[in-house]
Amino acid sequence: AQSVSQHNHHVILSEAASLELGCNYSYGGTVNLFWYVQYPGQHLQLLLKYFSGDPLVKGIKGFEAEFIKSKFSFNLRKPSVQWSDTAEYFCAVNAPHNNDMRFGAGTRLTVKP
Amino acid sequence: DGGITQSPKYLFRKEGQNVTLSCEQNLNHDAMYWYRQDPGQGLRLIYYSQIVNDFQKGDIAEGYSVSREKKESFPLTVTSAQKNPTAFYLCASSIIGSYNEQFFGPGTRLTVL
Repeated sequence: AQSVSQHNHHVILSEAASLELGCNYSYGGTVNLFWYVQYPGQHLQLLLKYFSGDPLVKGIKGFEAEFIKSKFSFNLRKPSVQWSDTAEYFCAVNAPHNNDMRFGAGTRLTVKP
Repeated sequence: DGGITQSPKYLFRKEGQNVTLSCEQNLNHDAMYWYRQDPGQGLRLIYYSQIVNDFQKGDIAEGYSVSREKKESFPLTVTSAQKNPTAFYLCASSIIGSYNEQFFGPGTRLTVL
C-alpha cells in the first residue's frame, strides 16, 4: 500500500517569507497526489491535486506544488506567505485503481505577522 | 447548501460504552469515508464505502463498526473494544474514482472518560 511522509512537523515563518513543505510518498506505480489544508476551526479542504500532465500544479490562494517522479516527491510551495496561511497542511496520495487515500502526518504552519 | 454534516461536534462517553457518530451528506456522492485524526499522525482511514450496503476496512478498523443503509448516511460506531477511542473523527465523501477529491465534514471530537 502507498504511504506518505511529511518531514516538517511545525514550520514558523514571518509574513512575506517563502514556503516549501516537503512530501514524499512510497508507491511503485502511478499515483494521484493531493494537498489539503485545515485552517483553525474549519473543515479540511483541497488546495491542489495532480493526476497527470504538467508536473507543476497551481492551486488556490497562490499555492503550487511540483511532482518530481524520480524523487517520489510532491512539495508544496508559496513565494510569499501571509498570516492567513496559518493552518495545518496534509499531503495525500492514492492509486488510480482505488479510492483508498493515504495522508501524511501533517505540517503545522505558523505565520507571524 | 450542499455539504457534509457530522453530529455532535463534541461527545463525551464513559469507558465501556458504545457510541455512534453521525455523518450525513447531500452531495449525492457514492463513496463515504471515516478517518481518525490524532496529533502528529495525520488522518488514518477507519472504514470506507463505495456503495450502499457495502463497506471495506481501512488501516485501523479494529474496535469500530459502520453501516451504509442509505446513500446519504454512513454512521460510525466506536465500540468498547476500541482501546484508545479518544480522538477527532472526520467523515468524508467523494464521487467514485480516485481522481476525485474528498470533501470533509467538520468532525466530531470524542472524549472517553
